[in-house]
Amino acid sequence: AQSVTQLGSHVSVSEGALVLLRCNYSSSVPPYLFWYVQYPNQGLQLLLKYTSAATLVKGINGFEAEFKKSETSFHLTKPSAHMSDAAEYFCAVTMGPYGNNRLAFGKGNQVVVIP
Amino acid sequence: EAGVAQSPRYKIIEKRQSVAFWCNPISGHATLYWYQQILGQGPKLLIQFQNNGVVDDSQLPKDRFSAERLKGVDSTLKIQPAKLEDSAVYLCASSFSPGGYIPEAFFGQGTRLTVV
Repeated sequence: AQSVTQLGSHVSVSEGALVLLRCNYSSSVPPYLFWYVQYPNQGLQLLLKYTSAATLVKGINGFEAEFKKSETSFHLTKPSAHMSDAAEYFCAVTMGPYGNNRLAFGKGNQVVVIP
Repeated sequence: EAGVAQSPRYKIIEKRQSVAFWCNPISGHATLYWYQQILGQGPKLLIQFQNNGVVDDSQLPKDRFSAERLKGVDSTLKIQPAKLEDSAVYLCASSFSPGGYIPEAFFGQGTRLTVV
């Protein structure tokens, strides 16, 4: 079954610095990939998604991610961190209709923004 | 458009008691998911419905957990009897998934269960 790996549960970044969260997927064929953000006591909100139309995907709040098949990766970046970016971030994968639309999540990264 | 509605938001019960959670998905969404999110971990899929049929319940502890989605709309998730390790946030999500379309899941705010 498809899966994603996110390393490093906690990520600290200075305000204004680059945010980089890593996600690697495991799948026999290129899957569809998502990044979700979760603020305290909230559900998950979609940041961006890769559906094979373009390898560089732009999302909300200035985030973007690049799909690299050769590295089986879908890392999330933001050039300049803002205090409001403090949240938990989850990478997720699905095979779409070919996998019954099953959606599997990584363990998440808790992002702390240091003033 | 109204989002995914879940209730209650918080629930505290004693171990061995029973509890039920309710989810109303976005109108027209055929796929409904229930996830369990333990503190510090990613969401784990418990059960997935397509309309009112079960697509995947491989990670549902069937000796104590049950779920139904009557009429392919609302869904309830029940735990009976609850254990301490069931303390978690239970997330409901739904997606619109016609053939060939890559679904985007929309999540409710979750129900935080504490078993004491």
